[in-house]
Amino acid sequence: EAQVTQNPRYLITVTGKKLTVTCSQNMNHEYMSWYRQDPGLGLRQIYYSMNVEVTDKGDVPEGYKVSRKEKRNFPLILESPSPNQTSLYFCASSLLSGGANTGELFFGEGSRLTVL
Amino acid sequence: DAKTTQPTSMDCAEGRAANLPCNHSTISGNEYVYWYRQIHSQGPQYIIHGLKNNETNEMASLIITEDRKSSTLILPHATLRDTAVYYCIVRVGNSNYQLIWGAGTKLIIKP
Repeated sequence: EAQVTQNPRYLITVTGKKLTVTCSQNMNHEYMSWYRQDPGLGLRQIYYSMNVEVTDKGDVPEGYKVSRKEKRNFPLILESPSPNQTSLYFCASSLLSGGANTGELFFGEGSRLTVL
Repeated sequence: DAKTTQPTSMDCAEGRAANLPCNHSTISGNEYVYWYRQIHSQGPQYIIHGLKNNETNEMASLIITEDRKSSTLILPHATLRDTAVYYCIVRVGNSNYQLIWGAGTKLIIKP
């Protein structure tokens, strides 16, 4: 079954304790992206990747890091989480066509993070 | 990318067609209309997209007006499981522009 898998689905942590949210897709998609969703603000892009070893900032990258060492995996790293990073996080992937994103994104089920 | 305007919420009776409108009066000639939905707090789900012709797939139909300033997503026989927030987004197709997510329309299907 084609899917994007995120882990953990729920996490409560404390300020400053490094954490990683993993994302894996089994569709051989080149494009992967991370979003956060907060009430009243819609989905906002954090980082995206067009292929292995190619990553770029989205709209709200501060406080986050990503890596793309393998095509299927795109982990989101919070080196020193703060309470304003409490949010619902989504990973997404899609094919590229002509070197560009088709806009047909497949999303994971989300990771709800609380930073105390 | 052009902005879209959608009603905040809508109701529809189960078994009836749900028609969700979207205004995008400043859409450019190379911008597509995309529709996604999000059920509760699950990951958004792609539904359909189109440029100028009407489109249909197994989930829905997309009707785009001739001037492309508005569109309607049609769920032909709504079920309770179609209760969700529906997002209408315009973007240049096959590009590296990201999708800009608004607040969407909360569609409630009533028994």
